[in-house]
Amino acid sequence: NAGVTQTPKFRILKIGQSMTLQCAQDMNHNYMYWYRQDPGMGLKLIYYSVGAGITDKGEVPNGYNVSRSTTEDFPLRLELAAPSQTSVYFCASSYSETGPETQYFGPGTRLLVL
Amino acid sequence: GESVGLHLPTLSVQEGDNSIINCAYSNSASDYFIWYKQESGKGPQFIIDIRSNMDKRQGQRVTVLLNKTVKHLSLQIAATQPGDSAVYFCAENSGTASKLTFGTGTRLQVTL
Repeated sequence: NAGVTQTPKFRILKIGQSMTLQCAQDMNHNYMYWYRQDPGMGLKLIYYSVGAGITDKGEVPNGYNVSRSTTEDFPLRLELAAPSQTSVYFCASSYSETGPETQYFGPGTRLLVL
Repeated sequence: GESVGLHLPTLSVQEGDNSIINCAYSNSASDYFIWYKQESGKGPQFIIDIRSNMDKRQGQRVTVLLNKTVKHLSLQIAATQPGDSAVYFCAENSGTASKLTFGTGTRLQVTL
């Protein structure tokens, strides 16, 4: 298994541009998550999904959108990039039936908005 | 609001010594805790977890202790090695959908 994969690894955007961060997992996990991590800080939850067709907001959803059309993929969309969205973005997944379970993380996408 | 925090932002340990990284949590309803290790430029890597019905769990060279009375979590690393140098995060389950709340992290520096 490749685990959780993310593309691209690094991207520079101009203010106002849009982009989609891709995330895929091949572990048949039902739950998927997007986090952002600012320098020297912990991770903050942006959006999450408990299954295909179901998404919900996390702690910091403003400026982002997500979709979950398949179990495997969970793309994160930035519509109008702002400097405040400069961060490292991590996708994670977990499998849960009866309670909380470990989340497994991808390698991250580093985004710079200028 | 509820939060997970760490006592020490940076911990320096000599190679071969034991390391102890501490974490305080405030949500008494949390029932699951995880320790992650994050090396520079990489995503968080699972180390060990513990559920609230336990007070100790051991892995390979690592032990997690949970004290629910004082809402304290610790990660002990035995015989610390240079490869253990990283930022360590504790995280707690915050209820639905296995969502996790992360602390800000502790940087572990291993000196030779």
